[in-house]
Amino acid sequence: DTGVSQDPRHKITKRGQNVTFRCDPISEHNRLYWYRQTLGQGPEFLTYFQNEAQLEKSRLLSDRFSAERPKGSFSTLEIQRTEQGDSAMYLCASSEGRKPAFFGQGTRLTVV
Amino acid sequence: GIQVEQSPPDLILQEGANSTLRCNFSDSVNNLQWFHQNPWGQLINLFYIPSGTKQNGRLSATTVATERYSLLYISSSQTTDSGVYFCAPPDTGRRALTFGSGTRLQVQP
Repeated sequence: DTGVSQDPRHKITKRGQNVTFRCDPISEHNRLYWYRQTLGQGPEFLTYFQNEAQLEKSRLLSDRFSAERPKGSFSTLEIQRTEQGDSAMYLCASSEGRKPAFFGQGTRLTVV
Repeated sequence: GIQVEQSPPDLILQEGANSTLRCNFSDSVNNLQWFHQNPWGQLINLFYIPSGTKQNGRLSATTVATERYSLLYISSSQTTDSGVYFCAPPDTGRRALTFGSGTRLQVQP
């Protein structure tokens, strides 16, 4: 197993377009997290899945954001009608129960 | 939610020097992770340390949960240690980790 995988690594989009990111967690991990990181800041929590159930959502997750984890495996994060303020690094992490979380390499989004 | 403060915010070292990074948190925790974020943005796991002391090569970490702080020690620093170091306990009553603003370390040759 090669760890948490995210795709794409970089995405440039025009304001108003929709984008979708994918995260493949470590195979035996039942927990999956999405975070957003802007320049000079630490990662901020967006949402959390246990298996296929989305159990926690941050206030940062506006109506334009939606996340899914069908069948409790990979997850997608979609941003509709992107805005320049959405430009950030989007990080995915997974863990097995309360064991340590491991992060993917992130998807860097630039909205122009 | 839990507040996480890291100090110092920035640190410049000469290669070979030792350093101590501090993480204070506002609530009791049952686990805590330290990460190193490399220049490409990858968060690399360093320690999972709810309490006590752990060592891994030139790095060691100590968490004193009752006093709500954790320390990361870097000895004989190398240029490859450069990057941002984050501590991350779980948010109060939640499962997701909460990150501080990090300590930005630059090791000069």
